[in-house]
Amino acid sequence: DVKVTQSSRYLVKRTGEKVFLECVQDMDHENMFWYRQDPGLGLRLIYFSYDVKMKEKGDIPEGYSVSREKKERFSLILESASTNQTSMYLCASSSRTKQFFGPGTRLTVL
Amino acid sequence: TQLLEQSPQFLSIQEGENLTVYCNSSSVFSSLQWYRQEPGEGPVLLVTVVTGGEVKKLKRLTFQFGDARKDSSLHITAAQPGDTGLYLCAGEGGSEKLVFGKGTKLTVNP
Repeated sequence: DVKVTQSSRYLVKRTGEKVFLECVQDMDHENMFWYRQDPGLGLRLIYFSYDVKMKEKGDIPEGYSVSREKKERFSLILESASTNQTSMYLCASSSRTKQFFGPGTRLTVL
Repeated sequence: TQLLEQSPQFLSIQEGENLTVYCNSSSVFSSLQWYRQEPGEGPVLLVTVVTGGEVKKLKRLTFQFGDARKDSSLHITAAQPGDTGLYLCAGEGGSEKLVFGKGTKLTVNP
């Protein structure tokens, strides 16, 4: 069974902390994505990667960076967490646009 | 910028009722996908429609892609409490990125 896993289901951090969200897929997919999901705003694309060490900005990349050193792993980094980054973060990988999502990480920044 | 307008945003109905969710855009999409998301989980793909006018059925769910490939609908017949969730439409514009609608939160009351 295909699987996308995320390192934490819930995370609480303080303003200014550096935050790492990890995502791993076991489907050998080329493409991986990071979204944030907020009530009334839907899913918004932060960054995506179409190959190892390759990345492209999505619609809302400000305040975030990503790392893809291995094909199966895509990390989202909040360089200095702020309260407006409190959100649900969803990772996905895709095969021919069919996206498989992880369970999400609910991040709270205090 | 491609946008998908999804309506209604919220829907609360009684078990046994029928409902339709709409997804509209001024842009043409090469395919359109419907996802369902349960609380605390990531979205799960239900169906992909590719051809203009295409109709797909998944048990009590009927999905239709507009002739011009700019809109889609999801119709649920005789809704059940297990249908409760957030329904998301997503359009493929040409790259492997998807454009998501903001979602319809469906509650089916017993």
